[in-house]
Amino acid sequence: AQTVTQSQPEMSVQEAETVTLSCTYDTSESDYYLFWYKQPPSRQMILVIRQEAYKQQNATENRFSVNFQKAAKSFSLKISDSQLGDAAMYFCALRVGYTGTASKLTFGTGTRLQVTL
Amino acid sequence: GAVVSQHPSRVICKSGTSVKIECRSLDFQATTMFWYRQFPKQSLMLMATSNEGSKATYEQGVEKDKFLINHASLTLSTLTVTSAHPEDSSFYICSARTGRLYNEQFFGPGTRLTVL
Repeated sequence: AQTVTQSQPEMSVQEAETVTLSCTYDTSESDYYLFWYKQPPSRQMILVIRQEAYKQQNATENRFSVNFQKAAKSFSLKISDSQLGDAAMYFCALRVGYTGTASKLTFGTGTRLQVTL
Repeated sequence: GAVVSQHPSRVICKSGTSVKIECRSLDFQATTMFWYRQFPKQSLMLMATSNEGSKATYEQGVEKDKFLINHASLTLSTLTVTSAHPEDSSFYICSARTGRLYNEQFFGPGTRLTVL
């Protein structure tokens, strides 16, 4: 069974500053994907960033980057130059297996990010 | 591209009635569709996984007879909440996975169900 743990229920960051959201996971599988999803007040889930477990290089998407520590099973999200539009609930998710319909997402409990002026 | 729609976005019904929620992949064929339930300020809980033309696979604890899932085509899946009760009130989110690289999964905007 897979588990995803987000230990920060809420975080706050000032506009233009940097914030890091934590995520740890557990799986016995060697092939998996890790994701960060953003859920703004509209409730629409939006993919922020994806990391393949076999890749050592940390994924980056503009102001968003991850720190993937495979041995420690840690997958943190760093948001640089925070903007008001970044305010949302952020979910860390794990999917075991690269292909196949049996693979499904396991979500963490989420971190609510507030962005202040 | 890769848009998933849900209809209706919001529905209110009386206890004991059935409600159908549609999920459509608008610009791609979905090999697999997923249905999630989300309670206020909580995470997404997977209810079931469905493949086109096959019976849905339900997660442990989810009543198959209460939450009927039909995946009639590669672009449409429906969730029917039968004999709805107030405890079924929740936010229901569908998601569709492509068969393309990374098996990318895209989410619908959700449906808020309120059972009176």
